[in-house]
Parts: sequence; structure tokens; C-alpha cells
Amino acid sequence: QKEVEQDPGPLSVPEGAIVSLNCTYSNSAFQYFMWYRQYSRKGPELLMYTYSSGNKEDGRFTAQVDKSSKYISLFIRDSQPSDSATYLCAMRTTGAGSYQLTFGKGTKLSVIP
Amino acid sequence: DGGITQSPKYLFRKEGQNVTLSCEQNLNHDAMYWYRQDPGQGLRLIYYSQIVNDFQKGDIAEGYSVSREKKESFPLTVTSAQKNPTAFYLCASSTQTGLATETQYFGPGTRLLVL
Repeated sequence: QKEVEQDPGPLSVPEGAIVSLNCTYSNSAFQYFMWYRQYSRKGPELLMYTYSSGNKEDGRFTAQVDKSSKYISLFIRDSQPSDSATYLCAMRTTGAGSYQLTFGKGTKLSVIP
Repeated sequence: DGGITQSPKYLFRKEGQNVTLSCEQNLNHDAMYWYRQDPGQGLRLIYYSQIVNDFQKGDIAEGYSVSREKKESFPLTVTSAQKNPTAFYLCASSTQTGLATETQYFGPGTRLLVL
């Protein structure tokens, strides 16, 4: 079982739809969680980070963490064509070596006008 | 503007040739990383460095080498021993405060192609 599982998609939705992107993980030592957005042929950019179970909202984006189920989600409301990108989840532990991130493989999202 | 720069954007390698990818950051970050990204594979860690003149192997270090002579710079050499070098290479950096908000910031990437 891989440490982080992420559905690669591709996921295609109409403009204005609510998008749900998900990752599951097996290592209960993961405590900090991030979502990156990567446009084609560009470097990933940090979208959101969170470290506690529950929801964190930033504009149209909501990050959700359920540590008991080892499951994280990113919701995008009122999706726009500019949201078309690959979304990578990442997570890390605390303690020694905790700066290293473990990434999901990414979900490719297309928002159709 | 603070950030991470990578050069070149595209790099072509002939068989048997060593090539070096540049990564520079002006964020005053202590730690720097090199990743390789292949389609459907996600990001895989090649090397990382927490401090000048020190670095550690990641998950796929074979066929690669690095140096960290300056805090701002972390070049990656793809040697002739790397038999499948075609990929998108990403450099990243981070602080090392251990805070929950700490994360990695990425450069724009270098695409390496084999002739």
C-alpha cells in the first residue's frame, strides 16, 4: 500500500461546478497537510495548508482533514476555467526529518466553459 | 522579488554526457530539494540539503549528484549513469523552523530531454 493515494483523474467538470479532490494516507504520523496547484509545464504552487482535523476555508477553496479516517479533501466552489490544473496533495510528519514531504500523484482537473 | 529560479527551462542531453541544472533561491531558506516528475509518477525526491556543504540522498539518487557550496544555490548534475533522464526536474526550498506552517516552495522547473 502506497503511503499516499490520490485518484489521478482526469476530472472534467462544467464551469461553476463544485469540485472535490481527495487523498487517503496510511501513515498516522502525518500531521501537516498541503495542497499544491500545478499548471501545465510549471512548478507547483502552494494553495493551502492545514494541520488540524476540520475545515479551513480560503476564498473558493476549502481544505478538509479527517485524521481518524486518514482522509483529506480539497473543495473548489464555483469552479473556473482558470482552475484547470493538476492538484497535488502533500503531507509531512513532525519530529526529526519532518521537513520532507510525501506527495500524492496528482489529480488533473479540467473546468469546461 | 523573492523566489526560486531554475535554468535552463529546457535542456538536451546527448548519450554519455553529464549535464547540470541550476537552482538559485533568494528566500534565505536553509533547506533545498531536487525532485523528478514523470507523467503518472508524482514527485520523487532525488537529493536534499539542510545546510551548506551537506546533503543527503533521497529516494532516487542513483545517477545524480549535487553540491551545496552556497546557501542560495543547489545545482543538480545528471550523470551518464542515469539511463532514463528524460523528465521534468523541480527544485524547492523551505525554512526549517519545524512550525506547522512550514512547507516547500517550488521553482518553475527544467525539462530535460535526451537526444
